[in-house]
Amino acid sequence: AQTVTQSQPEMSVQEAETVTLSCTYDTSESDYYLFWYKQPPSRQMILVIRQEAYKQQNATENRFSVNFQKAAKSFSLKISDSQLGDAAMYFCAYINDMRFGAGTRLTVKP
Amino acid sequence: DAGVIQSPRHEVTEMGQEVTLRCKPISGHDYLFWYRQTMMRGLELLIYFNNNVPIDDSGMPEDRFSAKMPNASFSTLKIQPSEPRDSAVYFCASKPGASGGVSSTDTQYFGPGTRLTVL
Repeated sequence: AQTVTQSQPEMSVQEAETVTLSCTYDTSESDYYLFWYKQPPSRQMILVIRQEAYKQQNATENRFSVNFQKAAKSFSLKISDSQLGDAAMYFCAYINDMRFGAGTRLTVKP
Repeated sequence: DAGVIQSPRHEVTEMGQEVTLRCKPISGHDYLFWYRQTMMRGLELLIYFNNNVPIDDSGMPEDRFSAKMPNASFSTLKIQPSEPRDSAVYFCASKPGASGGVSSTDTQYFGPGTRLTVL
C-alpha cells in the first residue's frame, strides 16, 4: 500500500508571510496524481491544488504553489502572502488509491 | 447543484444500535466514496463505487460495516451493531468519471460529513 507522510502536525505563519507544508509519499507507480486539500473548521474538504506526476512543471494556483520532486517523492505546498482565512487543516493526498496524509494544522497569526 | 448532501449531520446513538448514514452525490458523477475521519487514524477511504457498483471495499473495517448504492443518486453506509470506537466523522464524496477513471485530475467533491458519536 502506498503511504503518505506529513511530518508537520502543526505549523504557524505570520499574516502576509510565506509558509511551506511538507508531504512525502511512497509509490512504485510512474503515473499518478497528488492533491492538496484544505479543511477549515467548517469541516468541508476543499481542493487547493493538484499535480500530475508526468508533468515536470510545478502547479500554481494564485497564492498556492507546489514543489514537486518526483525522484525524492516529495510534494510540498507553499502558501504565499498568508491570510487569516488560510488557517485550516491541510491534507496531502495520493489520488491513485485515495490515500491521505495525517494532516498539518496551519495557524495564521495576525 | 447543491453539492454532495449527507444526512444526518450529527448522530448520537448507543452501543449496539444500528446506524445508517446517507449520501446523495452530485448529479452526473460516476464515482462515490465513503471516508472515515478520526484523530487517531486521519482520513481513511472505506469503500468506493463506480456507476453504483462497489469497486474497492478493502478499507471497510469489519463485517459490521456495509455500504450500498441502489441507484445513481443515493448511497448508504450502515453500521450494525455500532461500537464506541466507530465514533468519527464520516464523509461522502463524488467525482465525475469522464476523464479517465478514478485516478485523474478531477477533484472529489466532499459532503459536509456526518459526525457520529456512539456512547
